Amino acid sequence: DTEVTQTPKHLVMGMTNKKSLKCEQHMGHRAMYWYKQKAKKPPELMFVYSYEKLSINESVPSRFSPECPNSSLLNLHLHALQPEDSALYLCASSPSGNTIYFGEGSWLTVV
Amino acid sequence: AQSVSQHNHHVILSEAASLELGCNYSYGGTVNLFWYVQYPGQHLQLLLKYFSGDPLVKGIKGFEAEFIKSKFSFNLRKPSVQWSDTAEYFCAVNANNNDMRFGAGTRLTVKP
Repeated sequence: DTEVTQTPKHLVMGMTNKKSLKCEQHMGHRAMYWYKQKAKKPPELMFVYSYEKLSINESVPSRFSPECPNSSLLNLHLHALQPEDSALYLCASSPSGNTIYFGEGSWLTVV
Repeated sequence: AQSVSQHNHHVILSEAASLELGCNYSYGGTVNLFWYVQYPGQHLQLLLKYFSGDPLVKGIKGFEAEFIKSKFSFNLRKPSVQWSDTAEYFCAVNANNNDMRFGAGTRLTVKP
């Protein structure tokens, strides 16, 4: 069974705060992803890491900063966010860039 | 880059009705195709996928999808829906480059 673990499940932060979302997978997958999903909308690709290197950055504002410390971990550092950044942030991983397996997501509210 | 269109925004069916959700993609090369489901308040789950071979693929929970290359389509079907199938359904396409793109989604409501 596949498992992508995300923490925290819920995060409320102020516009001046610095926080991080964390993602972990132990399936040996070499690609890891961050998606953003607003209510009743499809997931939007933010970043892709392939073999621990950033391979896709979908013109995401610099207040979102991804980091891939090793092949099992993926972080999303958040700083000076806006209320419109409130969304469900989904981490995903893939063994070879085809089938993607999603975590349960982190619900972010910016106040 | 590839793109995906789902033409049905919201579909309402009664239990036991048959389901077909449309999905069309735009990309000139080889693609991998997927359907994901998102139940209310839950994360995305893979229903089925097509990489190559038999264009009729079967997934979990009685769902199937047919890849028609000439029509750039990958429609999702189920012969008889249940109330528990109420969810959001997303078609997605990946062009073998780690870049997975999703359609806008179709909300399915099944009335008991």
